Amino acid sequence: AQSVTQPDIHITVSEGASLELRCNYSYGATPYLFWYVQSPGQGLQLLLKYFSGDTLVQGIKGFEAEFKRSQSSFNLRKPSVHWSDAAEYFCAVGFLTGGGNKLTFGTGTQLKVEL
Amino acid sequence: DGGITQSPKYLFRKEGQNVTLSCEQNLNHDAMYWYRQDPGQGLRLIYYSQIVNDFQKGDIAEGYSVSREKKESFPLTVTSAQKNPTAFYLCASSIISRGNTGELFFGEGSRLTVL
Repeated sequence: AQSVTQPDIHITVSEGASLELRCNYSYGATPYLFWYVQSPGQGLQLLLKYFSGDTLVQGIKGFEAEFKRSQSSFNLRKPSVHWSDAAEYFCAVGFLTGGGNKLTFGTGTQLKVEL
Repeated sequence: DGGITQSPKYLFRKEGQNVTLSCEQNLNHDAMYWYRQDPGQGLRLIYYSQIVNDFQKGDIAEGYSVSREKKESFPLTVTSAQKNPTAFYLCASSIISRGNTGELFFGEGSRLTVL
């Protein structure tokens, strides 16, 4: 079964600093990979996704992520963090089946931004 | 605007009572899903459905039931058999046909508290 590891439970960065959130997955083949963001008490919003092609993917809000097959990683980056980026971030791995998109989520990384 | 509507946003229940959470989507998606979110545990799949009148158990289906009588609707009932029902519940949907890139679209969630 596939699994997703987000090793950092909490991360604090200063506004304007760069950010990298780590995500490692375990899966037998190249999966579909996603990053979602969640504000308190809200649903999840898709930031970006990788399913084929260029291993560096761009998302919304200035985020990007790089798929590294050799490291089974899909780390999320942002060059300059804004206070509004404070939220919880989830990495997810999935594969397509005839029965729908079965995603496995990591446990999340809570981002705090210091002004 | 197209999207997923969950109601109620907050729900309180006494022990021993069944409660039903509503999920409606107007995205014309074939598949719908229910996830449970607990602090520090990420999202766990309860049930999913790819077609009307058919649904499958996810990883933590015990104590829950669902129905799919219409394509747009996928209500979740939390029964008295669920040992620890206090959680945040998220409904999602996706396409499963041509053009599917694996992502899920989420509602805003329903928070259930058992008193």
